[in-house]
Amino acid sequence: QVQLVESGGGVVQPGGSLRLSCAASGFTFSSYGMHWVRQAPGKGLEWVAFIRYDGSNKYYADSVKGRFTISRDNSKNTLYLQMNSLRAEDTAVYYCAKDLRAVAGTPDAFDIWGQGTMVTVSS
Amino acid sequence: SYELTQPPSVSVSPGQTARITCSGDALPKKYAYWYQQKSGQAPVLVIYEDSKRPSGIPERFSGSSSGTMATLTISGAQVEDEADYYCYSTDSSGNHRGVFGGGTKLTVL
Repeated sequence: QVQLVESGGGVVQPGGSLRLSCAASGFTFSSYGMHWVRQAPGKGLEWVAFIRYDGSNKYYADSVKGRFTISRDNSKNTLYLQMNSLRAEDTAVYYCAKDLRAVAGTPDAFDIWGQGTMVTVSS
Repeated sequence: SYELTQPPSVSVSPGQTARITCSGDALPKKYAYWYQQKSGQAPVLVIYEDSKRPSGIPERFSGSSSGTMATLTISGAQVEDEADYYCYSTDSSGNHRGVFGGGTKLTVL
């Protein structure tokens, strides 16, 4: 079945870095754009970033632009989120999610989500 | 930046119809999507492209969109439908960014 499994979360100090991974299975990973979405404790959902199916285009929320980098390795069916210059307000559960449409060049919505990985930024 | 606005809470009795609205200036040009999130779980897509229902989603869930407002309707709401519901769309300004509404807590009791 279609599955997304995130890993790499943890506790990091303000200003630090962390890299999240998302392992995909059950679908043709290289044909779908992928997203990262986050949810701060007790708060709503926030879209973070999108990468095109072939990795050629990337889009970011203003809140993370210049600090976070989304990437993918289609040979390993894996999505990444490199997070630098982390702030307390980046504390959240981070979900990876599969785009609805195949071979789409721009973000659409998502139909499959992982279970999330928790990132805590605290000294 | 683009915003989607939802009511913070909606409450209905079991068997009643629940309606959750989502307003946004770009909705006449962009699809609305709806996600259900139960406590401690990942979100689930319940409506896509304004009014389409994914396989496995009960028929009591429906969606519509008119002008700048999209609506999620749960006809004959059940206790198990109690959850947070989020609308989602994309920015029409060419920035290609996703946007969520603030979420609506649906209480069924």
